[in-house]
Amino acid sequence: AQSVTQLDSQVPVFEEAPVELRCNYSSSVSVYLFWYVQYPNQGLQLLLKYLSGSTLVESINGFEAEFNKSQTSFHLRKPSVHISDTAEYFCAVSKGGGSNYKLTFGKGTLLTVNP
Amino acid sequence: DAGVIQSPRHEVTEMGQEVTLRCKPISGHNSLFWYRQTMMRGLELLIYFNNNVPIDDSGMPEDRFSAKMPNASFSTLKIQPSEPRDSAVYFCASSIGQDSKATQYFGPGTRLTVL
Repeated sequence: AQSVTQLDSQVPVFEEAPVELRCNYSSSVSVYLFWYVQYPNQGLQLLLKYLSGSTLVESINGFEAEFNKSQTSFHLRKPSVHISDTAEYFCAVSKGGGSNYKLTFGKGTLLTVNP
Repeated sequence: DAGVIQSPRHEVTEMGQEVTLRCKPISGHNSLFWYRQTMMRGLELLIYFNNNVPIDDSGMPEDRFSAKMPNASFSTLKIQPSEPRDSAVYFCASSIGQDSKATQYFGPGTRLTVL
């Protein structure tokens, strides 16, 4: 079975500072990896995902994540954050290939961007 | 597109009462997921439907919980009788296909409080 560890439950940063949200997973098979974002009082939205190919994936709003197989990590980064990035971020993993539907989510990291 | 619709958005009930949560998936999506989110346990998959058929209900906590999907545009999650430990945010999500590569689209959630 897969599992996900998000090492930081809360990350406070100042506006325009860089940020990294850490995610490690455990799995003995190939995986798909995801970052979802949850704004206050809303459902989760997909931010970006790694399925195969290039290990660096990007979102439309400036976030990026790099799949590191040797370190079993999928950390999320942004070089300069905005107030509007304040949200909870969830890393998720699923078994790759075939008809695998199940996502396993981490506990989430609350990113708070202060002015 | 209206997105995934859930009702009610908030529900407050007393222990022992029956609670019914409702979900309308995105039109054309054939996979539907019910999740529960709590501070202690994070986001947990309760049940997964594909083409209106329950495929995996291993996450349903106990017999007090039941879920149905009578047609492609409607699903319910029922708790009878409800208990205070059922207090949580319940999310419905839908996707196309049966593969975890597919993006899951989440509804806004139902915040359930059982007194």
